[in-house]
Amino acid sequence: DVKVTQSSRYLVKRTGEKVFLECVQDMDHENMFWYRQDPGLGLRLIYFSYDVKMKEKGDIPEGYSVSREKKERFSLILESASTNQTSMYLCASSPAGETGELFFGEGSRLTVL
Amino acid sequence: DQQVKQNSPSLSVQEGRISILNCDYTNSMFDYFLWYKKYPAEGPTFLISISSIKDKNEDGRFTVFLNKSAKHLSLHIVPSQPGDSAVYFCAAFVFGAGSYQLTFGKGTKLSVIP
Repeated sequence: DVKVTQSSRYLVKRTGEKVFLECVQDMDHENMFWYRQDPGLGLRLIYFSYDVKMKEKGDIPEGYSVSREKKERFSLILESASTNQTSMYLCASSPAGETGELFFGEGSRLTVL
Repeated sequence: DQQVKQNSPSLSVQEGRISILNCDYTNSMFDYFLWYKKYPAEGPTFLISISSIKDKNEDGRFTVFLNKSAKHLSLHIVPSQPGDSAVYFCAAFVFGAGSYQLTFGKGTKLSVIP
């Protein structure tokens, strides 16, 4: 089974702190994604990566950056956390292909005080 | 502008009855349509998909219907079970050279009442 592991299930940070969310997948997938989920807004794409060191902005990249130094690992970075970044963050991966099926991690619930 | 719309935020159904979740889209270039299921405090899991060249796909209790002329798809769950209570996201996918677009709807919360 594909496993996508997110490093922290729950985090509480203060405004202005730098936050790292880590994601690792074990199925050698080319594509990796970071989404955030908010009530009434569904899933919104922050960034995705289709190869090592490659990244593309999604729908809401402002305030975020990403890093993909190894194929299995995709990190989301909040340079200076703000209260409006309190959310559920979901990492996903998929093989290169044409079906759109993603494998999601369990999510990281971030609260910024 | 929302390309994928789920107009019903919530739906309640009696156990054993049919659940019908609806989704509309605007981009006729989508190649695949997918449904994901999400329980609280868990990541979404893939449920079922349909290619744009088909009009029906069935997997056990789950059937997805695609009406391209109406740009509408629906997920039917028969019979509904309490364990089906979750948020269901419709998604649409288009694949092209150098691009990857998977767009989600806002979700419909299904409650199956025992």
